[in-house]
This record gives sequence, structure tokens and C-alpha cells, in this order.
Amino acid sequence: EAQVTQNPRYLITVTGKKLTVTCSQNMNHEYMSWYRQDPGLGLRQIYYSMNVEVTDKGDVPEGYKVSRKEKRNFPLILESPSPNQTSLYFCASSPRQWDSNQPQHFGDGTRLSIL
Amino acid sequence: DAKTTQPNSMESNEEEPVHLPCNHSTISGTDYIHWYRQLPSQGPEYVIHGLTSNVNNRMASLAIAEDRKSSTLILHRATLRDAAVYYCILNTQADSNYQLIWGAGTKLIIKP
Repeated sequence: EAQVTQNPRYLITVTGKKLTVTCSQNMNHEYMSWYRQDPGLGLRQIYYSMNVEVTDKGDVPEGYKVSRKEKRNFPLILESPSPNQTSLYFCASSPRQWDSNQPQHFGDGTRLSIL
Repeated sequence: DAKTTQPNSMESNEEEPVHLPCNHSTISGTDYIHWYRQLPSQGPEYVIHGLTSNVNNRMASLAIAEDRKSSTLILHRATLRDAAVYYCILNTQADSNYQLIWGAGTKLIIKP
């Protein structure tokens, strides 16, 4: 089954404790992206990757890091989480970045609470 | 930034058609109109997209105004499983990134 898998689905942690949210897709997609969703704000893009070893900032990249060492994986890293990063996070992928005709496939989300 | 405007919420009866409107008056010529929906506790799910012509697929129909400044998502026969937040989004180019610009969406309530 074609899917985008995120782990963990839920995490409660404390300020400053490094954490990683994993994202994996099995569709051989080139383009992957991370979003955060906050009430009343819709989804905002954090980082995106056009292909292996190619990443770039989205609209709200502060406090986050990403890497793309393999095509299927795109982890989101919070080196020193803070309470304002409490949010619902989604990973998404699509076949090609440069084709705006391509729909994105989303994971089921990761709810992070930073105390 | 390209933006869309949708009603906050809409109600419809089960097994009746639903027309979800969207305004996007600042759309540019190369922006695709995408619709996604988000069911409770799930990630967004692609519904349909189009550029200029009306589009149909197994989930819905998309009617695009001639001037492209508005569009309407049509669910032909809503069921309780269609209750979700529906997002009308422009897939727009910003520098080298094709980006989905998300609004707050329309919460669709289906009454049995």
C-alpha cells in the first residue's frame, strides 16, 4: 500500500531535549516536505526536499533541521525544542517538485507537546 | 502570497449534493487549484485539482470560473464519511519551490 509513515504519532517531552520525528514514503517520490498545523493557521511549510541531499527552508524553519540521505526518508529534527513548537506535524511527498500538477500524499501526523 | 477565501463552515443533509465555494482573486496564470480534505485525526487527503477546465473524478467535481477567480467543489451525494475540513489551495511557485498555500478551510457538517 502506498503510504507516508510518521513516527511517533504522539510525543510529550520537555524543553531542550533533542527529538527526531521520522518520515518514510514507499512511493519513490522525489519531493518531500514537512508542515506544522496550528489552530486557525492552516498548514505552514517548515522544510522541503527536492531530492536526495537537496533541502531548503519553507515558511517557518526556525528551530528545525532536516536531512535527506535516502530518497524514502526525511526526518525532522528539533535540536532544542521549545514550548512554541508544540503543534501537529505532517510529512508529505509527491512525485516531482517542479510539477505543480502533482498532488501531495500526507502522513497521519505527529502531535508534539513540549512542556 | 496567493490566497484563498472559504466559508468557515457549511452544513448539508446526507445524500444531497454539496457545493463548497472558494474565492482566489489573486490567482496567477500558472497556479493550479487544489482541493484537499482532512478527516478528524488524519492527515490531509487529496481530492481534486484543476487549472482552467472543470474536472471530475471518483470523489468530486471541480467547477472553475471562467476568470479563474473562484471555484466550487461539488460532492454529488454527501455521506456521513464526507464530514471533514475542506481546503481550497493554490499550488503556486515561490522561487524554486512549488508550494501549497493553505487557508483555514471549510468545516463541512453532514446531518443524517
